[in-house]
Amino acid sequence: DAGVTQSPTHLIKTRGQQVTLRCSPKSGHDTVSWYQQALGQGPQFIFQYYEEEERQRGNFPDRFSGHQFPNYSSELNVNALLLGDSALYLCASSLVGAHNEQFFGPGTRLTVL
Amino acid sequence: AQSVAQPEDQVNVAEGNPLTVKCTYSVSGNPYLFWYVQYPNRGLQFLLKYITGDNLVKGSYGFEAEFNKSQTSFHLKKPSALVSDSALYFCAVRDRRTAGGGNKLTFGTGTQLKVEL
Repeated sequence: DAGVTQSPTHLIKTRGQQVTLRCSPKSGHDTVSWYQQALGQGPQFIFQYYEEEERQRGNFPDRFSGHQFPNYSSELNVNALLLGDSALYLCASSLVGAHNEQFFGPGTRLTVL
Repeated sequence: AQSVAQPEDQVNVAEGNPLTVKCTYSVSGNPYLFWYVQYPNRGLQFLLKYITGDNLVKGSYGFEAEFNKSQTSFHLKKPSALVSDSALYFCAVRDRRTAGGGNKLTFGTGTQLKVEL
């Protein structure tokens, strides 16, 4: 059983560009959350998708947007990249329900130059 | 608002000795509490969670955690540390009363555990 997968593994972009990161959830999971982990910090919640809708959002600007597809996979889009967007982006999947643990993918390392 | 504090950036322990990684939390309602471990250049791996019931929770790889409501703490423990336990440990909290059933996790800043021979 494959766990959470993310692509690409690494990505290098320049300021002002746009980027799309992809996530496939663990088999059977219906909820996908995205987190940003800056170097030396804990993950920060970006948003969560369930039933193809954004259900909860953290303190991130509108430059960060997402999508969930009917097969539960998800994309994270970041527009107008800033140097400060350089981080490890983690996708986590779970079953809906606040008591359920989230399973994390290996992350996408984004570097903005 | 919910928050987590991990007061120690690093914990050093000798192999075979017991280890404790500290975590305190703040939520407006009752919490769900989680511990995750992160190895270099990897995602987070789930260790254990507190939902309700027994205050002592047992998890993967011999780890356990004790929920203390009066002290708002959820310290991670292991009776006998291994060198392979060396990693970055994160405590996370979720408020049970989150509207719409969302499962946003709020993480601490992490504690680096170093187990030496």
